[in-house]
Amino acid sequence: DVVLTQTPPTLLATIGQSVSISCRSSQSLLHSNGNTYLNWLLQRTGQSPQPLIYLVSKLESGVPNRFSGSGSGTDFTLKISGVEAEDLGVYYCMQFTHYPNTFGAGTKLELK
Amino acid sequence: VQLVESGGGLVQPGKSLKLSCSASGFTFSSYGMHWIRQAPGKGLDWVAYISSSSGTVYADAVKGRFTISRDNAKNTLYLQLNSLKSEDTAIYYCARSLYYGYNWGQGVMVTVSS
Repeated sequence: DVVLTQTPPTLLATIGQSVSISCRSSQSLLHSNGNTYLNWLLQRTGQSPQPLIYLVSKLESGVPNRFSGSGSGTDFTLKISGVEAEDLGVYYCMQFTHYPNTFGAGTKLELK
Repeated sequence: VQLVESGGGLVQPGKSLKLSCSASGFTFSSYGMHWIRQAPGKGLDWVAYISSSSGTVYADAVKGRFTISRDNAKNTLYLQLNSLKSEDTAIYYCARSLYYGYNWGQGVMVTVSS
């Protein structure tokens, strides 16, 4: 199975600070069809996961543009340019280039 | 799009439970569907997938014990959980499969304990 390693496990930030989360894959996530199926999700406390970014860098409808995704192959990054209070929660990367679909262990974003 | 899970609860080890996921707001029969679970305080684990033509795939941890199925006439996805173990305790989410990701339901809790 593809292992996704997220760092850091916990991120302390102040409102307005820019932060980044890394997601490294044990295998390339480039599919033979040319797409890279690497997504980012946010799970707020007590809620189901909410999709933020798909195909590495495309924002889901309604997601603020302070969120951005980048990367290729095995290394990916989620950046939040100016954290807001509503951004707190656990961020997961997930891949579905390879079966079974797998998820990173999560990065918890908390207020400093 | 709305996905509403039901059927969870407290069950003893070795017993069975059947989860349902009622779908609305889209043409259910045209989409593959997933079950994903999350143990208390832990991360997300993919459990099973059923295609629009009812082909199925399972995670190794549940293969032979869980069965995913669908009833397109009722717009409902199912997960039959047999021979339950304490490590199956989790919130179970159903999700619609999109070419670029998932739509998630709100989840249903399954607790396996004597």
